[in-house]
Amino acid sequence: DTAVSQTPKYLVTQMGNDKSIKCEQNLGHDTMYWYKQDSKKFLKIMFSYNNKELIINETVPNRFSPKSPDKAHLNLHINSLELGDSAVYFCASSQEGSGRGDEQYFGPGTRLTVT
Amino acid sequence: DQQVKQNSPSLSVQEGRISILNCDYTNSMFDYFLWYKKYPAEGPTFLISISSIKDKNEDGRFTVFLNKSAKHLSLHIVPSQPGDSAVYFCAVGGSNYKLTFGKGTLLTVNP
Repeated sequence: DTAVSQTPKYLVTQMGNDKSIKCEQNLGHDTMYWYKQDSKKFLKIMFSYNNKELIINETVPNRFSPKSPDKAHLNLHINSLELGDSAVYFCASSQEGSGRGDEQYFGPGTRLTVT
Repeated sequence: DQQVKQNSPSLSVQEGRISILNCDYTNSMFDYFLWYKKYPAEGPTFLISISSIKDKNEDGRFTVFLNKSAKHLSLHIVPSQPGDSAVYFCAVGGSNYKLTFGKGTLLTVNP
């Protein structure tokens, strides 16, 4: 029974397209996150929601828009895709904010390739 | 500007020996420190954590050491097993909801 799931696992698309990645957690956690792991392998926070409220919004192009319909779901929509958006995107969740040492549970990742 | 540095991109160890993975951070305001393990094509999984009020935390074969004055933490795995072969990320957190991750160290444990 998957704790944090993401769909799709792989996404190949052309520049200029709009795409969405979905994330769901069945752990009953209050906080969800989106991370980007780029070609240099850094895992960087993009957004975080706590009980459907945006609490972290890092310096991310406004082509990226998170949506949290309820606290079990956090989707990521990307407009006008660019080559530099190619990366692995991870969703994660935690009971509270992880700055307090609360461990995060990660999804398997979505590998986005923009051609 | 990297706030968390894992200066060894890779480490190779013989089965049964000790693996020591290192991590340095720059901001003394960080007060939670975590290690995550990642296998290929999977998301990172939590391994062990320590808060700034402690200098050591142990869980089975895994021990994390924190040296606040040096802004350094390390993960010791003993004895190392081939199944430990993975990328290990250290992560640090403060008073907000955010974790900052290092670049990771690829550990290979040879049978």
